This record gives sequence, C-alpha cells and structure tokens, in this order.
Amino acid sequence: QQQVKQSPQSLIVQKGGISIINCAYENTAFDYFPWYQQFPGKGPALLIAIRPDVSEKKEGRFTISFNKSAKQFSLHIMDSQPGDSATYFCAATFSGAGSYQLTFGKGTKLSVIP
Amino acid sequence: DSGVTQTPKHLITATGQRVTLRCSPRSGDLSVYWYQQSLDQGLQFLIQYYNGEERAKGNILERFSAQQFPDLHSELNLSSLELGDSALYFCASSVDPRGQREQYFGPGTRLTVT
Repeated sequence: QQQVKQSPQSLIVQKGGISIINCAYENTAFDYFPWYQQFPGKGPALLIAIRPDVSEKKEGRFTISFNKSAKQFSLHIMDSQPGDSATYFCAATFSGAGSYQLTFGKGTKLSVIP
Repeated sequence: DSGVTQTPKHLITATGQRVTLRCSPRSGDLSVYWYQQSLDQGLQFLIQYYNGEERAKGNILERFSAQQFPDLHSELNLSSLELGDSALYFCASSVDPRGQREQYFGPGTRLTVT
C-alpha cells in the first residue's frame, strides 16, 4: 500500500521556469511533511518541511503548498536553475510511539534545461 | 555535508554472505534511522534506534538486524545475502524523536550482491 503518491515521475523545465511536484497522502495521522533533494551518488538532503497547521511555507525559491482537506501537498521551485536538476522526494511522518519514521513518495526526477 | 558518516561507501559481496554497514550520527543526535533505496521499492524505512534501544521497525527482513552502541554509532547487519538485497542503504539521524523531527541523511552505502 503506497501511502504517499508522488507525481510526476519526471519533469523537464526550462531555466527560469517554475517546477511543480505534487504529492497526495492517505494516512490522516501524518502531521509532518518534508521534501528531500537527492543528487546522483549522494544521500537525500532535507530541503523544506511543513506541518498541517499552515497552508504554505516559503524558503528562498522553494515553496510548499499544503491542502489538508484534499490530503495533498506540493513543492514549487521558482526560477528553476540547472543546478536544481536532481531527484525530489516528498515524505510524511507522524508521531507514533516516539518514532518519526519517514514514508516516502517514489520520487520525481527534475531536469532543468538551459 | 550532513554530518552523518557511513562506511563503507561501496560493498561488493556474494550471495549467502554477511556484511556490516556502519553509521555515525551527527554530534548530539540520539536517533538513528536506517533506510533502503532500490529502483523498484524506492526509499523504505527499515529500523530506528534511539539512545541504544530499538524504537521502531519497518519493512526489515528477518535476515537483517541492527544495533546502536553506547557511543551512538549504529551498525546494520545483513546476512544470507540475496541478489535482491542489492541497494543503497542510508542512515539518518535526528536529535530526539520527541523534539525536532528533521532527519539528516548520510551519503549511503551501495551494496552489490553478485
């Protein structure tokens, strides 16, 4: 059972454009939603995270939009740059018995072309 | 650099063998999480330790085990290896499961079973 569904699988955006990656979750107990960026040969790096009590969080060119009623959240990358080319993972977690294990989406491979 | 270290970076071994992967968390982090990343399953949570004790188990095979030592480093033991165990294995650390939820990933160990 895939608890976090991510789309699209791959995305090609021109330099300066907006990249949008969407995720949907099923478990209403989830209460923390991070996004990770992974370059080839590297570990996932925490990019930005949101809790369901806010609808939007912005850090630099990265924005998370959160829709609690629809159980959806998305990552927007403004002014996308070639250096943003990487695989992006959404994730979700909840506080269960003191563990914040992450449930990941399948990932989106972003390519930003000059 | 996340501050989480993993050794070895690469590991090639034969079916039926046993290997040990090592992880040192960020200074001050008490929790260590292990994740497996494969092409077909994506990133999956295996097991979590907090301050030396097992806190949560995910999709971890019985052939796999882990422990966390008094200095907080952790080891993941994989035995009776099969071809399907070939994957990237990441550990992540966090401060305290009851406090901040951010998890910081190490660079991973690429395991190839031949």
